[in-house]
This record gives sequence, C-alpha cells and structure tokens, in this order.
Amino acid sequence: GAVVSQHPSRVICKSGTSVKIECRSLDFQATTMFWYRQFPKKSLMLMATSNEGSKATYEQGVEKDKFLINHASLTLSTLTVTSAHPEDSSFYICSATPGTGLSYEQYFGPGTRLTVT
Amino acid sequence: GEDVEQSLFLSVREGDSSVINCTYTDSSSTYLYWYKQEPGAGLQLLTYIFSNMDMKQDQRLTVLLNKKDKHLSLRIADTQTGDSAIYFCAENGSGGGNKLTFGTGTQLKVEL
Repeated sequence: GAVVSQHPSRVICKSGTSVKIECRSLDFQATTMFWYRQFPKKSLMLMATSNEGSKATYEQGVEKDKFLINHASLTLSTLTVTSAHPEDSSFYICSATPGTGLSYEQYFGPGTRLTVT
Repeated sequence: GEDVEQSLFLSVREGDSSVINCTYTDSSSTYLYWYKQEPGAGLQLLTYIFSNMDMKQDQRLTVLLNKKDKHLSLRIADTQTGDSAIYFCAENGSGGGNKLTFGTGTQLKVEL
C-alpha cells in the first residue's frame, strides 16, 4: 500500500528556534499534501493544503508566516514552525493523495511530536 | 459549516461486536471514511463508502450510511484487543474536494 513517512518522529526544541518537519510519499507521487495539527485527545485540525509547485492554502486562523510550507517535489512537503513557542507544542500529521480529484486515497504519515520548552 | 460528531468512548468485551456512530451535517459529501489511530501514531485508513451506497462490508468491518439522517456507523465484528484505538470518521464535503473534516474521535477499549 501507499506509505507516507515523516521525519523526525519526535523533536524537542527551545522557545524561539525554528523546526522543520518533513513529509514524504515513499512509493507514489503526491500532487497534494495536507498538514494537520492534533491536540491531546482531540480531533485533527487541518492547517493547510499543499500542492506541488504552488503556494500552500492555509485554513482560517493559521498563520502562514509562522507555519511555512514548501511542497518542492511530488514526494516531499516540509512544514517549518518558525520562532516556536510552547503553545506550538503538538502532534503534527501530514497526509498525501496520489493524484487530483477524489480524496478517497488519502494516506497519513505517522506524525511528529513537537515539544517546545 | 461542516460538523462531524462522535461519541467519545466505547467499551466492549473481546469477541463482541463494536458499533461506532458518527453524525455529520454536510449533505454534499461524496465520500465518508473511517480511520483508526493507535497511541502516538498517525491515522490508518480502514475503509470508506461512497455517498450513494447504503452499506459496505470488508472482512470484519461493516459500514452503514443513512444519508437521509446523515448518520454513519462502523461495525467491527469479533472485536479483538488489537482493535483498541481511537476511531475517526471523516467526510470530504463541499461536493467532493480533497479536504477532509474529521469527527471528534471515539476511543474504543476492548476488555478481556
């Protein structure tokens, strides 16, 4: 089946620093990737939709200058949390779809646990 | 806006059937999904159903869709301890786009 990886799986950083999270589709080309944030015991909140070669589309309330998304190739999207603060601590999950159109083949990465101290 | 609701918790005995329910508000959804999340992990797509279907069965999983009532359910037959996880329903709304709206999640606990 389609596999999506994320790196790192867990990261601890100091307040004020920036952290980059990678999302890769390992065995398929992903024209669209999504970034979600999940708080403890809560549902997933869509942060942004990333299409290869174009600017990401951010959901309302998500700061695009704080959460930088780059979808440089059909197999890689990155999320950079800039000037991280403790309130940015969360579980970040990406997903990828193999092609355009229907989303019934959306596959999720294993998630990245970010802790900002 | 779109709203997807689930009960928070379900406890069953091993070997029994589990039924997880979900209600949604967006009638334009073309696909509805069930995902499983184990502790500290990402989401695993379990199954999905097209909106013009009433039922879909896949081994131990049965999905029922009542489009009139906007109600979706997932039945797990012969529930095992390995089925313990959080289950999320999701819908793609807005006439079939790629964006998913997730439910609040149901924690399934399987007891011996």
